[in-house]
Amino acid sequence: AQSVTQPDIHITVSEGASLELRCNYSYGATPYLFWYVQSPGQGLQLLLKYFSGDTLVQGIKGFEAEFKRSQSSFNLRKPSVHWSDAAEYFCAVGAGSGGGADGLTFGKGTHLIIQP
Amino acid sequence: EPEVTQTPSHQVTQMGQEVILRCVPISNHLYFYWYRQILGQKVEFLVSFYNNEISEKSEIFDDQFSVERPDGSNFTLKIRSTKLEDSAMYFCASSEAASWQYFGPGTRLTVT
Repeated sequence: AQSVTQPDIHITVSEGASLELRCNYSYGATPYLFWYVQSPGQGLQLLLKYFSGDTLVQGIKGFEAEFKRSQSSFNLRKPSVHWSDAAEYFCAVGAGSGGGADGLTFGKGTHLIIQP
Repeated sequence: EPEVTQTPSHQVTQMGQEVILRCVPISNHLYFYWYRQILGQKVEFLVSFYNNEISEKSEIFDDQFSVERPDGSNFTLKIRSTKLEDSAMYFCASSEAASWQYFGPGTRLTVT
């Protein structure tokens, strides 16, 4: 069975500083990986996805993530955070392409706090 | 940009009552999903639906849950006899084949 671990429950970063949110996955084959962001009271917005190919993927809002098979990781990064980035971030893994009929398995999320 | 919509945004019901949560997926999508998120916990997959039948379901999706696509646009989740532990945010999602899932804004279900 697939699983996702986000080891950091909370992270506090100063505005303008760089950010890295950690995600480790467990899956028997090549995974399909996603990062979603959830603002308070809102739904889940897709930031970026990895299906295959280039292991460094670019997403919306200046985010990027790097797939490292040897470390079973898919960490999310941003070079300079903005106050509006404060939200809950979820890493997810899918057995297929994220479509088909495959349900996604989510991590528990990392709550990002931006301090002025 | 097309989006998944869900109604109502908040539903309060008494224990033992039936509730129906409604979703309108993106119009050209073929795959539909329900997830739930208990307050403070992770998002959990419930069920996926394709070609008018359930494709995959989790162990959470027991006999008290059912899904239906009653017409060409709506996708519903029914909980037959709600329990206190059904209180959660319920998210609908949809996708085209071989693409990522778009999520709706969620319905907060409160069972009292």
